[in-house]
Amino acid sequence: GQQLNQSPQSMFIQEGEDVSMNCTSSSIFNTWLWYKQDPGEGPVLLIALYKAGELTSNGRLTAQFGITRKDSFLNISASIPSDVGIYFCAGQHSDAGKSTFGDGTTLTVKP
Amino acid sequence: GAVVSQHPSRVICKSGTSVKIECRSLDFQATTMFWYRQFPKQSLMLMATSNEGSKATYEQGVEKDKFLINHASLTLSTLTVTSAHPEDSSFYICSAKDRGDYGYTFGSGTRLTVV
Repeated sequence: GQQLNQSPQSMFIQEGEDVSMNCTSSSIFNTWLWYKQDPGEGPVLLIALYKAGELTSNGRLTAQFGITRKDSFLNISASIPSDVGIYFCAGQHSDAGKSTFGDGTTLTVKP
Repeated sequence: GAVVSQHPSRVICKSGTSVKIECRSLDFQATTMFWYRQFPKQSLMLMATSNEGSKATYEQGVEKDKFLINHASLTLSTLTVTSAHPEDSSFYICSAKDRGDYGYTFGSGTRLTVV
């Protein structure tokens, strides 16, 4: 089946540092989504991307839809302790379609 | 924004029994809901697509007779784990999409432990 390669698998950073994570795929997606999951909770949507090349921000978060439609990155600027969690990318072929998830990036922020 | 309510949040059951998990879309109608399974420190794996008024579509390798899905109304989908075994212990999460929203909204998940 399709696979999304998400990296890095985990990150340990100091508060205030910037963070970058990315996802690549062997197939093209029409939509890229970034979610954050806290322990014992369902994922929460952070950013949705619909067009190749699109760059979208949500507060300190910025994500881009790669030109080839096979990759996306998420940046977090000036990290704070509450940014701790697991970040997942997800690709969709259509707006109403099912999502394929990356393996997640576990972020730890040291105060 | 859209809210998806999932119940129960935690359940412990004995081997051989069945467990029902509910997923409700609050304040919006969802013709399609998705059910995922997540093992510790792993990603979400799609189990099935729940379609209102019709049979669910299961992903390859998911036993439809073991994981019964019923989407009887536009706001409710249920997942029943039948004859549960310890290997069915996992975190089950549903998601749904309101027409005007971007992306899917996830429920808060159900932690199933089979003893």
